[in-house]
Amino acid sequence: DTAVSQTPKYLVTQMGNDKSIKCEQNLGHDTMYWYKQDSKKFLKIMFSYNNKELIINETVPNRFSPKSPDKAHLNLHINSLELGDSAVYFCASSRLQPTNTGELFFGEGSRLTVL
Amino acid sequence: DQQVKQNSPSLSVQEGRISILNCDYTNSMFDYFLWYKKYPAEGPTFLISISSIKDKNEDGRFTVFLNKSAKHLSLHIVPSQPGDSAVYFCAANSGGYQKVTFGTGTKLQVIP
Repeated sequence: DTAVSQTPKYLVTQMGNDKSIKCEQNLGHDTMYWYKQDSKKFLKIMFSYNNKELIINETVPNRFSPKSPDKAHLNLHINSLELGDSAVYFCASSRLQPTNTGELFFGEGSRLTVL
Repeated sequence: DQQVKQNSPSLSVQEGRISILNCDYTNSMFDYFLWYKKYPAEGPTFLISISSIKDKNEDGRFTVFLNKSAKHLSLHIVPSQPGDSAVYFCAANSGGYQKVTFGTGTKLQVIP
């Protein structure tokens, strides 16, 4: 039973299109994240939601819009796709604890290729 | 501004020997340091962490050492096994809402 699942795993699309990636976690966590791993292998945080509320937004272009319908889901919608958006996008979740250690649970990633 | 750096992109070690992966950081506000392991086509998985108030944490074959004055941490794997072959990410957290910062990873190959 997958703890953090993302769909689709692979996405190939043309420049200018709009696409969405969905993420669901069944761990009962209250915080979810989107990370981007680019061609240089940097794994960089994009957004974080806690109980459906946006708490981290790392200067990501506003073509990227996260949506959290409930605390178990965090979707990522990308408008007007550009070549530079090609990357692997990872969803993650964590439990917000009194001491935040940084332990995250990641999905398998969604590889987006923009042609 | 890369606050967490892994200067060795790859490392090869013989099975049974020690693997040492290194990581440097620049932000003094980090209070937890972590190592994640990643296999191809999978997401990173948490391996081991250490609080900034400690200098060593051990879990089975894995030990993480923290040198705060040098802003350096290392992961020791003893003995190394072929199944340890993966990319290892060093990461750091500055509390609050778990804004975890990752290094670029070191690809470890354990040769049988």
